[in-house]
Amino acid sequence: EIVMTQSPATLSVSPGDTATLSCRASQSVNRNLAWYQQIPGQAPRLLIYGASTRATGIPARFSGSGSGTEFTLTISSLQSEDFSIYYCQQYNYWWTFGQGTKVDIK
Amino acid sequence: QVQLQQSGPGLVKSSQTLSLTCAISGDSVSSNSAAWNWIRQSPSRGLEWLGRTYYRSDRSDWYKNYAESVEGRATISADTPRNHFSLQMNSLSPDDTAIYYCARDPFSGQFDNWGQGSLVTVSS
Repeated sequence: EIVMTQSPATLSVSPGDTATLSCRASQSVNRNLAWYQQIPGQAPRLLIYGASTRATGIPARFSGSGSGTEFTLTISSLQSEDFSIYYCQQYNYWWTFGQGTKVDIK
Repeated sequence: QVQLQQSGPGLVKSSQTLSLTCAISGDSVSSNSAAWNWIRQSPSRGLEWLGRTYYRSDRSDWYKNYAESVEGRATISADTPRNHFSLQMNSLSPDDTAIYYCARDPFSGQFDNWGQGSLVTVSS
């Protein structure tokens, strides 16, 4: 099983600032990496796939990068609705998720 | 757009069977362009993919895959006339307590549409 490790567990950011979230895979997943946003009480929402392609309707302030084992989700100019939990997910070999990074208000 | 609507009981006793259904609108369970998945989320396990089903019209057959953690206990089936798919999982234990989600994968690996989630509590 490919283990996905996200860091940090919690990230405190001020509105308007930039958040940088990391995701590491235990072995290469090429660019088969997706990011999801989950607001408590709701289902995850797809943000990014193919490591860097935004899903339909996702604002340009969300961007993804990386390949192989190291990936980054960057959220610029944080809005109030962006404070939630973010998960990475690999789909190179079956499907596994990271444990999540909570972005909260500083 | 695609919408997934889940239904099923929220409280199940240990050793019994969980049964959840996911009704699809805006797509077809027998589409050649998507697989239909079940995923669960719990504090102890996080987000965990459980299994999927999909149809291949060129072979006129349904395919199913399961995570090792539930292989032998879980069964995913599709109902084409009703356009829904279901998850049954037997021999439940309190460790199976989780929010269960259905989700669509358009054969690209990511899950682009999700059901609203169903909290299933397994009581001992």
